[in-house]
Amino acid sequence: GENVEQHPSTLSVQEGDSAVIKCTYSDSASNYFPWYKQELGKGPQLIIDIRSNVGEKKDQRIAVTLNKTAKHFSLHITETQPEDSAVYFCAATPYGNNRLAFGKGNQVVVIP
Amino acid sequence: NAGVTQTPKFQVLKTGQSMTLQCAQDMNHNSMYWYRQDPGMGLRLIYYSASEGTTDKGEVPNGYNVSRLNKREFSLRLESAAPSQTSVYFCASSEIQSSGNTIYFGEGSWLTVV
Repeated sequence: GENVEQHPSTLSVQEGDSAVIKCTYSDSASNYFPWYKQELGKGPQLIIDIRSNVGEKKDQRIAVTLNKTAKHFSLHITETQPEDSAVYFCAATPYGNNRLAFGKGNQVVVIP
Repeated sequence: NAGVTQTPKFQVLKTGQSMTLQCAQDMNHNSMYWYRQDPGMGLRLIYYSASEGTTDKGEVPNGYNVSRLNKREFSLRLESAAPSQTSVYFCASSEIQSSGNTIYFGEGSWLTVV
């Protein structure tokens, strides 16, 4: 089955700086890659996703890039703010099912 | 708009006791899921239901049973709780069980087995 790994496990950034989280996946058949944000005591919430037919997608301060050849995708957060502090999960799933394989999560801390 | 609602929010069980976690969604979604979240392990799929009337095992189904009661509701049952089942449980739903469909999560149920 699919195996998704996230790096680094914890990331601290100064407010206003950029944060980048990278995920690698193992199954070349995976074609859908969402990113979820989980705030303390809450359930994960989708913040952005990308499909295998595109290389980059942006939504205001967040962007996701995908390199299918190298089997990795990254979340980019620009102009970080304290409310960006959370745990971020990447996931991957192959075409035909929605059985997401999640990474173990990254704790992002934005220092004011 | 409630989305995915889980009950109870918190529960403490003794080893060997049974309990059922309830989940309901109001988005008219066909597919529903149960995940567990443990420190350093991310989210792992326990069971899922692609559509009303069907259920399938996920990555970690042992010790659990599920019931898709109707299109809205999907319950998770622990027949004989064990300390290893101490975890945070998330119910989720998506429009259909197909890649690319956004999965929406509930707020979680914190379960401690002593």
